[in-house]
Amino acid sequence: KAGVTQTPRYLIKTRGQQVTLSCSPISGHRSVSWYQQTPGQGLQFLFEYFSETQRNKGNFPGRFSGRQFSNSRSEMNVSTLELGDSALYLCASSLEARGPGNTIYFGEGSWLTVV
Amino acid sequence: AQSVTQPDIHITVSEGASLELRCNYSYGATPYLFWYVQSPGQGLQLLLKYFSGDTLVQGIKGFEAEFKRSQSSFNLRKPSVHWSDAAEYFCAVGAGSGGYNKLIFGAGTRLAVHP
Repeated sequence: KAGVTQTPRYLIKTRGQQVTLSCSPISGHRSVSWYQQTPGQGLQFLFEYFSETQRNKGNFPGRFSGRQFSNSRSEMNVSTLELGDSALYLCASSLEARGPGNTIYFGEGSWLTVV
Repeated sequence: AQSVTQPDIHITVSEGASLELRCNYSYGATPYLFWYVQSPGQGLQLLLKYFSGDTLVQGIKGFEAEFKRSQSSFNLRKPSVHWSDAAEYFCAVGAGSGGYNKLIFGAGTRLAVHP
């Protein structure tokens, strides 16, 4: 059974550009969440989607957005990139609908460098 | 507010020695607790989880953790460390309510293993 798949794995963008990251959850998982990992702030929750609906959003500016498709695949977008957006972006998926006790599985992440 | 504290940023142990990584949480209700491990450049791998029941939880790679409600702790242990255990370890609490999945992570403990 394939795990959580994220693409691209590595990318470099310029300040002011936008970026789209993609995530394919484990087959059958309907909940997809995103996290940002930086040396300074650690692992921070961005948002979570279930059945194409955003159920919750972390404390990030509106430049960070996401969506989920009917096949549960998800994308996140960051517009007007800033140097501080350089981070590892992790996607995670979960089987059941309701938290907080669900087991959440993570992908290997997308490394974003903003120059 | 929910939070997770990992008091030790770095720990160095000798191969074959025992290991204990500390984790304290702050959560109003019954906590759902997790330990994840992250190797350099990789995503997060679930080691073990506590939802309810037996307070001593067995995980993969020979790890175990003990939930102590009176101390608000969920420390990770391994009786004999292998060089391949060198990685960063994250304790997390499941904080989702209202039907969404969300993890709050500690800052992590980086483990170095000396031969």
